[in-house]
Amino acid sequence: AQSVSQHNHHVILSEAASLELGCNYSYGGTVNLFWYVQYPGQHLQLLLKYFSGDPLVKGIKGFEAEFIKSKFSFNLRKPSVQWSDTAEYFCAVFTGGGNKLTFGTGTQLKVEL
Amino acid sequence: DVKVTQSSRYLVKRTGEKVFLECVQDMDHENMFWYRQDPGLGLRLIYFSYDVKMKEKGDIPEGYSVSREKKERFSLILESASTNQTSMYLCASSFGTIQDTQYFGPGTRLLVL
Repeated sequence: AQSVSQHNHHVILSEAASLELGCNYSYGGTVNLFWYVQYPGQHLQLLLKYFSGDPLVKGIKGFEAEFIKSKFSFNLRKPSVQWSDTAEYFCAVFTGGGNKLTFGTGTQLKVEL
Repeated sequence: DVKVTQSSRYLVKRTGEKVFLECVQDMDHENMFWYRQDPGLGLRLIYFSYDVKMKEKGDIPEGYSVSREKKERFSLILESASTNQTSMYLCASSFGTIQDTQYFGPGTRLLVL
């Protein structure tokens, strides 16, 4: 069965620090990749997605992610975080074989002033 | 903007009760989903539906059933609630194919006593 791993469960950063959240998946076929974010008290919403083409994708609020097929990874990055980036971040992978979206366990990011 | 609404934000039920969670989307989306969100486990798919009266089991369908009589409404039913079904329940919808971006509702936090 496909699985999605997010190795960092809790991350604490100071404002202006750089961010990288890891995401690895276990599936050898074609995948669609997503990062969703849940800000405190808000709905889960899409941050960015990769379906095909340029493996470096840009999302909202200055976030980007790079798909590295050989490493089965889709890590999320931001060069300089802000206090308002405090949220829970979920990586998700869709595979045709499973015909469903599989989420990682999430990473709680806290950005301190 | 896509709007996905859920009938209750908070719900308290007793063991053995039949529980109905309702979800409505206003964007004529074909696909609707029910997830439960638990700390450290991320989101897990319970059921999804790609058309009216159609349903597919997700990863954890045991103890749940669903109903989709109208395109805009997808109901999750706990036939006999148990304490291990205490959780946050999230509804989502998507347009077109199953792998497209999902739009989430605010969630229903269910406590089963």
